[in-house]
Amino acid sequence: EVQLVESGGGLVQPGGSLRLSCAASGFTFSDHYMDWVRQAPGKGLEWVGRTRNKANSYTTEYAASVKGRFTISRDDSKNSLYLQMNSLKTEDTAVYYCARAKTTVSNYYYYYYMDVWGKGTTVTVSS
Amino acid sequence: EIVMTQSPATLSVSPGERATLSCRASQSVSSNLAWYQQKRGQAPRLLIYGASTRATGIPARFSGSGSGTEFTLTISSLQSEDFAVYYCQQYNNWPPVTFGQGTKVEIK
Repeated sequence: EVQLVESGGGLVQPGGSLRLSCAASGFTFSDHYMDWVRQAPGKGLEWVGRTRNKANSYTTEYAASVKGRFTISRDDSKNSLYLQMNSLKTEDTAVYYCARAKTTVSNYYYYYYMDVWGKGTTVTVSS
Repeated sequence: EIVMTQSPATLSVSPGERATLSCRASQSVSSNLAWYQQKRGQAPRLLIYGASTRATGIPARFSGSGSGTEFTLTISSLQSEDFAVYYCQQYNNWPPVTFGQGTKVEIK
């Protein structure tokens, strides 16, 4: 069974740091791009960022709202994805989901949609 | 950044009726559009990708259509388990990947 399980959420003060983890199983983790998506209380879904796979040099992309503060990394040997969050703000309070990016090809271009999601881990930034 | 706009914000439908949800992109996303369902307290679930292809295990009562900037998700006969929030998402141009603000389908 394909599964993603997030962990590491909790309560942190503004300006603090937190590291989230996402454990993958049931598929070849190293082949896939992976995403982090968050959802503030009562709000919609917001893409946080993405890591490419080894074939694409593990490069990363981020939403403007987190760029420079958050870092996505992965350890393919552990089938794990990480989100290092620094300089946290109250507006970073959210449920954080990891998601697998599924590859599709159209007209020789590659596209990626999120086909498997974890259940999420809650981050609360408050003093 | 491509802005995704969903309408209506809330749709009140009786069980067994048809529901039609709309999603508009601020510029063309070709057919690179997905729909997700999210029930209260749960993670999103992929329903549709490529604008019209149902994901594995998704019932045939869910259908997607459109291309370019205008998209529709139709639920042909609403079941009790279909009352949820639905999000569209474009993956044609990134970063960033962008979502619509969601449409809540509630019981009339």
